[in-house]
Amino acid sequence: LAKTTQPISMDSYEGQEVNITCSHNNIATNDYITWYQQFPSQGPRFIIQGYKTKVTNEVASLFIPADRKSSTLSLPRVSLSDTAVYYCLVGPYSGTYKYIFGTGTRLKVLA
Amino acid sequence: EAQVTQNPRYLITVTGKKLTVTCSQNMNHEYMSWYRQDPGLGLRQIYYSMNVEVTDKGDVPEGYKVSRKEKRNFPLILESPSPNQTSLYFCASRRGGSSDEQFFGPGTRLTVL
Repeated sequence: LAKTTQPISMDSYEGQEVNITCSHNNIATNDYITWYQQFPSQGPRFIIQGYKTKVTNEVASLFIPADRKSSTLSLPRVSLSDTAVYYCLVGPYSGTYKYIFGTGTRLKVLA
Repeated sequence: EAQVTQNPRYLITVTGKKLTVTCSQNMNHEYMSWYRQDPGLGLRQIYYSMNVEVTDKGDVPEGYKVSRKEKRNFPLILESPSPNQTSLYFCASRRGGSSDEQFFGPGTRLTVL
């Protein structure tokens, strides 16, 4: 299973773009990269998933370089409500569903 | 509404008293999983189930049991709880196909005295 490494914490100001990078050097060919958001005392919530290049949805973008050994979650124009812990997760498309979440990145958005 | 439910949401118990935390999903997902979350340790997977009657250990299975007799339910059983099992527990289900998205329940905060 691919392990991930993320910064422990980040601070940003409202209206700024935030980029959180995740390192996953031993990602397997069939692994997808998924990002979750978690607010205190709530279950994680899916944000975005990708395999390669760039994926964009209504809340975020995910950039994955060609070697797939890292990925970057981009949150455009953050607000105070984006203050949360963000987890990068690398998992198999098929096969086992044993997941390693890691400790995540604690993002604090300041006014 | 598509959701994962857990009961109870809060539980205080004593060492050795068997307990069960229920988890149910209404999305017809085949895959379900249990996690525990502790300060500074993130989310750690306890057990998962790929389908009815198919379960397997996650990273921290010691002291826990699970069963999957129906697709919608995946209870977590602590036969003899100990204080080191005091934690916040999350159940999740996953839809299949090309999506790796997991849907999480609201959590169960367990305290073992």
